[in-house]
Amino acid sequence: DQQVKQNSPSLSVQEGRISILNCDYTNSMFDYFLWYKKYPAEGPTFLISISSIKDKNEDGRFTVFLNKSAKHLSLHIVPSQPGDSAVYFCAASDGGYGGSQGNLIFGKGTKLSVKP
Amino acid sequence: KAGVTQTPRYLIKTRGQQVTLSCSPISGHRSVSWYQQTPGQGLQFLFEYFSETQRNKGNFPGRFSGRQFSNSRSEMNVSTLELGDSALYLCASSPRGSDTDTQYFGPGTRLTVL
Repeated sequence: DQQVKQNSPSLSVQEGRISILNCDYTNSMFDYFLWYKKYPAEGPTFLISISSIKDKNEDGRFTVFLNKSAKHLSLHIVPSQPGDSAVYFCAASDGGYGGSQGNLIFGKGTKLSVKP
Repeated sequence: KAGVTQTPRYLIKTRGQQVTLSCSPISGHRSVSWYQQTPGQGLQFLFEYFSETQRNKGNFPGRFSGRQFSNSRSEMNVSTLELGDSALYLCASSPRGSDTDTQYFGPGTRLTVL
């Protein structure tokens, strides 16, 4: 059973508008969440993270919102640019063995297309 | 600072062979994690090493193994390759592997098993 779900496999937005990518999780023990961007044939690139003690974290055009009661997080990109076109992965950590974050659980990804 | 490097970038093997992949973490990072990415299963955690010890392990068969050296470089080995092992293998490093560390990924090794 998937513990981290990204229910939209793809999203298309116009340049300059807001992109909202969503992620749901089932494990209430998750305490740290991350968003990664991935281009084909490259490894994921870290974008932004949020701890479960916060409900919002902002970094430039990227903002992540966490709703613990709904077990939902979202990534907002404002304004969207064509260079943002990539696959976005949501990942979660439950601290793992001995407090290790070594085990990230990923969603299946959402392919974002930003059209000029 | 140089990023995470992985060698080789591409590899073609046949069923039954074994393969060793290498990962050099960001300087100063002591935790190295390995992931497998396939179209069907997405990104799945294989194992994590910290200070030369396997600290965490995902749900993969024993054919998948790894090790970490004293300089934090890590290798992953897959024995008796199967067609289903064709995937992008990613390694990621973080300073301590704690639950507030961020993992930084390498470019991956694309393994094709024929």
